[in-house]
Amino acid sequence: AQKITQTQPGMFVQEKEAVTLDCTYDTSDPSYGLFWYKQPSSGEMIFLIYQGSYDQQNATEGRYSLNFQKARKSANLVISASQLGDSAMYFCAMRETPSGNTPLVFGKGTRLSVIA
Amino acid sequence: DSGVTQTPKHLITATGQRVTLRCSPRSGDLSVYWYQQSLDQGLQFLIQYYNGEERAKGNILERFSAQQFPDLHSELNLSSLELGDSALYFCASSVVADGAFERQYGYTFGSGTRLTVV
Repeated sequence: AQKITQTQPGMFVQEKEAVTLDCTYDTSDPSYGLFWYKQPSSGEMIFLIYQGSYDQQNATEGRYSLNFQKARKSANLVISASQLGDSAMYFCAMRETPSGNTPLVFGKGTRLSVIA
Repeated sequence: DSGVTQTPKHLITATGQRVTLRCSPRSGDLSVYWYQQSLDQGLQFLIQYYNGEERAKGNILERFSAQQFPDLHSELNLSSLELGDSALYFCASSVVADGAFERQYGYTFGSGTRLTVV
């Protein structure tokens, strides 16, 4: 069974609008971390935001926020005020166990295209 | 610069050949992870080393092997290469049990090695 599911292969958003990229996960571990990465066409993996399973508040980082719904096992990424430079692949990932010492498991990604 | 260094950035080689990809983790990180990303695919975990020892294994082919040296740099060896091995290979590193650090940096990825097998 897939541990990370991203159901949107591609998304379009108008410049300056907000967009939500979906991510659901599957784990029986009570302690885990959720990550979002951006991969532009140049190929590098850029860390965007992190949410710990015990965090009381949703993570925010600039224009990025994470809509964390633990009971639903979802960790959707919200990008506000989209910019042309936001066009990229976006990957949701999870690490299980409490330490930052286990491999990240990635979803298949969502390709976001921002339209002027 | 993410702090994780991968060399070479590009590699073109023929089928049947063997190549070595190199990774230097961010200073202080003991864990190194190798991932493979085929065209328009997600990242597939291959193998993890922690402080010189193999810690976890993913979908790594028997033709592939890796090691981590005392200075913590790691090498991924790919042999008997096939056309289907063409991919972007990433190395990543992480700290241990530090939520604050994860929150700020996540797992740090190198810029990748793009391997083309012809």
